[in-house]
Amino acid sequence: QSVLTQPPSVSGAPGQRVTISCTGSSSNIGAGYDVHWYQQLPGTAPKLLIYGNSNRPSGVPDRFSGSKSGTSASLAITGLQAEDEADYYCQSYDSSLSVYVFGTGTKVTVL
Amino acid sequence: QVQLQESGPGLVKPSQTLSLTCTVSGGSISSGSYYWSWIRQPAGKGLEWIGRIYTSGSTNYNPSLKSRVTISVDTSKNQFSLKLSSVTAADTAVYYCARVTTSGYYHWFDPWGQGTLVTVSS
Repeated sequence: QSVLTQPPSVSGAPGQRVTISCTGSSSNIGAGYDVHWYQQLPGTAPKLLIYGNSNRPSGVPDRFSGSKSGTSASLAITGLQAEDEADYYCQSYDSSLSVYVFGTGTKVTVL
Repeated sequence: QVQLQESGPGLVKPSQTLSLTCTVSGGSISSGSYYWSWIRQPAGKGLEWIGRIYTSGSTNYNPSLKSRVTISVDTSKNQFSLKLSSVTAADTAVYYCARVTTSGYYHWFDPWGQGTLVTVSS
């Protein structure tokens, strides 16, 4: 069950900035649970991109940034590159359902 | 660097039990305060958390699957396993195993295994 809502797709030209929203509720993001982001390149497993709302694991370019406010979070990609074409998922924990929850996923297309 | 690898049958008949194993390499499954988890993804769809286990054997399952799921751990083999009973076509998916870092208000999955496709069909 996807209780975190993301736009199905976003697109941008190389070098542009795109943002992906992740909307939750008072039982997950709004309850204080951190949001994490994953990048899934075609045919591969998801890879951790952002953890703890805004932290990048070692090796992730600083073109990727995350933020959280209230019951929502956002992922921004600046200086969009062709290699950024992928599906992106947000993830948190829902205390009402007692489950880890993922976003509906967003496909990023580089024009 | 810890790596995870799923293994198990790629084809399961309806009503039977799906069984997968995740082998952890590059580190002990018992080191650190980590949970170990299973996640699945039907073709063209999003991610669904199945459940998690601590090396003590303590488990938590997605309520939507709880009646059919069993996750176990074998620390001597550095492995943890998934059993999903009474499968139907709706259980056809790529199944991933992943390590969970968790404390208080943060819980994230890293690293992930490469995933294994399980098809339910007669």
